Amino acid sequence: GAGVSQSPSNKVTEKGKDVELRCDPISGHTALYWYRQSLGQGLEFLIYFQGNSAPDKSGLPSDRFSAERTGGSVSTLTIQRTQQEDSAVYLCASSLVAGGPYGELFFGEGSRLTVL
Amino acid sequence: EDQVTQSPEALRLQEGESSSLNCSYTVSGLRGLFWYRQDPGKGPEFLFTLYSAGEEKEKERLKATLTKKESFLHITAPKPEDSATYLCAVQANDYKLSFGAGTTVTVRA
Repeated sequence: GAGVSQSPSNKVTEKGKDVELRCDPISGHTALYWYRQSLGQGLEFLIYFQGNSAPDKSGLPSDRFSAERTGGSVSTLTIQRTQQEDSAVYLCASSLVAGGPYGELFFGEGSRLTVL
Repeated sequence: EDQVTQSPEALRLQEGESSSLNCSYTVSGLRGLFWYRQDPGKGPEFLFTLYSAGEEKEKERLKATLTKKESFLHITAPKPEDSATYLCAVQANDYKLSFGAGTTVTVRA
């Protein structure tokens, strides 16, 4: 597809379970970002990839959160032992380059996570 | 730390009633200021990038301007389809975008 694709679009899980969220960026985009948006809140930065490496993991809320990117393309955000406060919409975005001209981010529709 | 403050939080307009949204920012080494539109249940949709003070960009009924401390998004003669949350974000030397909380615009017919 032409845009950023995220799956699943909705995920309901029980407290303590692990979840994986997937992001397929726009083809050719080297930079990939994960953000979190809680109800009524702004976007919270989680992690940024340049190619397969993550120069900035500063936004990951705890060691229960991890992310990887393979082949410079698909990324997976994993949340272990989910807690109710993890409930949010997880947004993935990609950009042609990181920063400067052509650095605008293009977002997917998000994965809505509900932890019961 | 980068800070982005948007005002007002919410704006209710009559169709055709022009208005402006404000985004004030504090950032070390601005690489770009971005405006996005977000519809309910959707991801943010890119509108504009501004790079330097004095720059202006336009798209249909929207016009974005930038100074050294703030940006404005002007909505001229809005229509109901302009109803959305408008997000402002800044990008500094660390490449991540820091977002404001947004302004929710409702345009009544």
